[in-house]
Formats: sequence, C-alpha cells, structure tokens
Amino acid sequence: AQKITQTQPGMFVQEKEAVTLDCTYDTSDQSYGLFWYKQPSSGEMIFLIYQGSYDEQNATEGRYSLNFQKARKSANLVISASQLGDSAMYFCAMREGPSFTGANSKLTFGKGITLSVRP
Amino acid sequence: DTEVTQTPKHLVMGMTNKKSLKCEQHMGHRAMYWYKQKAKKPPELMFVYSYEKLSINESVPSRFSPECPNSSLLNLHLHALQPEDSALYLCASSQVLGQGRGKLFFGSGTQLSVL
Repeated sequence: AQKITQTQPGMFVQEKEAVTLDCTYDTSDQSYGLFWYKQPSSGEMIFLIYQGSYDEQNATEGRYSLNFQKARKSANLVISASQLGDSAMYFCAMREGPSFTGANSKLTFGKGITLSVRP
Repeated sequence: DTEVTQTPKHLVMGMTNKKSLKCEQHMGHRAMYWYKQKAKKPPELMFVYSYEKLSINESVPSRFSPECPNSSLLNLHLHALQPEDSALYLCASSQVLGQGRGKLFFGSGTQLSVL
C-alpha cells in the first residue's frame, strides 16, 4: 500500500488565486513528520513546509499553509495568491517512527502533482 | 549558508566509463543522502551516510559506489553504468537525530545520461 497518495495528476490555477494540493498518508506510527517540497524544472527540491504529528496548529510559511487533518490522515498544501514562479512539481513526503527526525528514518515521497499557473 | 552544491550539473558517459558525482555542504549537517530520480517520478533513496558512515544502502547495484570522505563531502562513483541508469541524481543533507525535524536540504542535482 502506498504510504503517500497524491491523486491529482495536474492542476491549473489562475495567477493571484489560491490553490489546494491534496495529500493523504498512511502510517500506524504516532510520531511522524509531513513535508512538502517544490521541484521546478531546474531540478532542485525546495523545502516548503513541515507539519509534525503532535503539532496542534496547522503549519504556515509565508504564502504556504498546510491543512492538517490528522483523523483523516490528510495534509493538503494551500498556496495563496499564486505566482507564475509557483509552476512546478510538488511532492508530499513523510518520515515516520519514534526517531523520525533521525537519518535512518526514510523520507517517503508521493508521486507528485504538477501545478501550472496561468497569467 | 544553506546550500547543497552538486557538481557537475550535467554528465554524459559511456557504459565503460568511470566518473564521479560530487556533493558538498557547509551547514554542519552530519547526515547526507543520495537519491535517484527519473523524469516525472518521485526521488528514490539510494544511500544514507550518518556521521560519515554508511547507514542505509537501498540494495543499490555495485556499479554505484558512495563515499563520504569528511562531514562536508559526499561522492558517488560510477562505473559500468547501463542506459537505464540515466536519471537526475540528487544529493541532500540534514541534521541528525533529534534536531531539525528531519528536514532535508537538496542540491540541484546532476543530470546523468548513459550512452
């Protein structure tokens, strides 16, 4: 079974509008971390936002916010006021287990979502 | 300085060649990683080094040989590769256990083509 599920094959959004990218996850661990990364065509994986399983508030980083619904095991990324530079592939990822911040805890990626921002 | 630097950015090699990919970070991270990524696919973990010791090898073929000569450098030595090894190779680093919430910092990758 997939641990990270991203089912949206491609998303389009008009510049300056908000967009939500979906991510669901599967784990039996109580301790885990959820991450979103952006990968533009240049190839670099850029960290966007992090949510810990015990964090009571949804994470926010500038225009990025994470809609964390623990009971539903979803961690959707919300991008407000989209910009042309937001066009990229977006990956949801998870590290799990009691030592999930450790190097030996693998970061598992979803298949990714391609976001295109229209002018 | 929050950069992970990878060289070269592009590499074309024949199946009989020997080449090396280099990765460098100066963030004081003691965990470093190699990932392989095919186009439009998620990155796949290859190797993890923790405190300069190999801690994870994801059953990678021996034609890929990692090396971590010091805490700032990570190499990936390539020998007798196959065309299916053509991919983007990403290096990443992170703080180790209990710190940094496990966030990985990635380089911009080496795009490898095997002819």
